Parts: sequence; C-alpha cells; structure tokens
Amino acid sequence: GQNIDQPTEMTATEGAIVQINCTYQTSGFNGLFWYQQHAGEAPTFLSYNVLDGLEEKGRFSSFLSRSKGYSYLLLKELQMKDSASYLCAVRDSNYQLIWGAGTKLIIKP
Amino acid sequence: IAGITQAPTSQILAAGRRMTLRCTQDMRHNAMYWYRQDLGLGLRLIHYSNTAGTTGKGEVPDGYSVSRANTDDFPLTLASAVPSQTSVYFCASSQKGDSGANVLTFGAGSRLTVL
Repeated sequence: GQNIDQPTEMTATEGAIVQINCTYQTSGFNGLFWYQQHAGEAPTFLSYNVLDGLEEKGRFSSFLSRSKGYSYLLLKELQMKDSASYLCAVRDSNYQLIWGAGTKLIIKP
Repeated sequence: IAGITQAPTSQILAAGRRMTLRCTQDMRHNAMYWYRQDLGLGLRLIHYSNTAGTTGKGEVPDGYSVSRANTDDFPLTLASAVPSQTSVYFCASSQKGDSGANVLTFGAGSRLTVL
C-alpha cells in the first residue's frame, strides 16, 4: 500500500530552526509537495520538489531524496504565525496525490 | 469572488437526509477535486474532475456523487447521509490535471456533522 509518514506534533521556540521530516512509500513518484494549514483554515501551497536536492524559498526550504523516499521541510527564524500543521503529499504514478496526516507545529515564545 | 468559494461553511444534518455541498471557482482551472479531512488522517480524495463534463472516483467515493456541468462549478452530493460522513470537506482546483507542479488551491472548507 501507499504510505506517507510524518511526526504527529513538534514544538519549537520562536526564532529557532525546525526540520519536519516526511518519508514515503508510493506507487511511483511524480513530485512531492508541502502545504501549510492553519487551524480551521484551508491548506496553502508551500513548496514542490521533483528532483533531488534543496529548494529554498525565503525562510522555508524543502529537501528531497528520491532514492531514500525522504523529504524534509526546514523552517528558519521561526515566528509565532508559523504555528500550523504542515502537510506532506506525494504524487504517484497515476498523478494522484497521497497525503500524510500532517505535522502540527507549536511555536513557543 | 477570488479563488474558490464553498457553501455552506458549516451544516448539521440528520442521518438519511440528502445534502449538496457547493463549490465554485473563478480561476478558470480545468481540474477540480473534493477531499475530506478527518482527525489523524491525511486528506482523502473523494471525486475529481480533470475537465468540464468528466468526473472520476477517488480513494473514498462511496456515498458521494459529483457533477461537472461547466468549468466553474463542482457540487458534491451525499444522497443519504450517514454519521461516518461527518468530516470537513475541502474543494480544490488546479490549472492542469497532471504533470508540472499542478498546485492545488483550496476552498475554506465545509464542516458537516451527521447525527
């Protein structure tokens, strides 16, 4: 079966750096996505990786290793507004998105 | 409006009743999707449409139906609601059905409670 694993919850301190990991086992691979979802709101797109390596976008970076079935989202200079759930999703060989359950990130002052 | 509009925002429904969740987008995206989100689970695809006039079944289609009469609208119907359909429902759209980044834009969600 297809599976996306992420930690359920993480806690970090304002101003610090946090890394949210995602491992996947899917039928084929056509890209990996990270979305941010604030409580009670819709998910919003953060990043897309299809090739191995690091994609940097401001305070957020996303890394992919296809051979290891692994990705991480790196958040730098954490702000209170970064408190949210972070969803990892993989597009499989049928171009369908398989979603992880999400990682709830709690930022403490 | 800009983006995706879903209605209603929230609804409490008696089991056995019929319910339609509405979704309208103004971005001229050709692909649209319905997901449900339940605590502890990832988003699960119910139905999708790659273009107006076509629909397809997702991971959890049973008990749900959709139609895509035009580009903008993609309603989701529960013919006879059951308590297990209590969930938050998200409508989403994307520019392309597959390939490329195909970033999804989500509506604000419809919280449905079936008693």
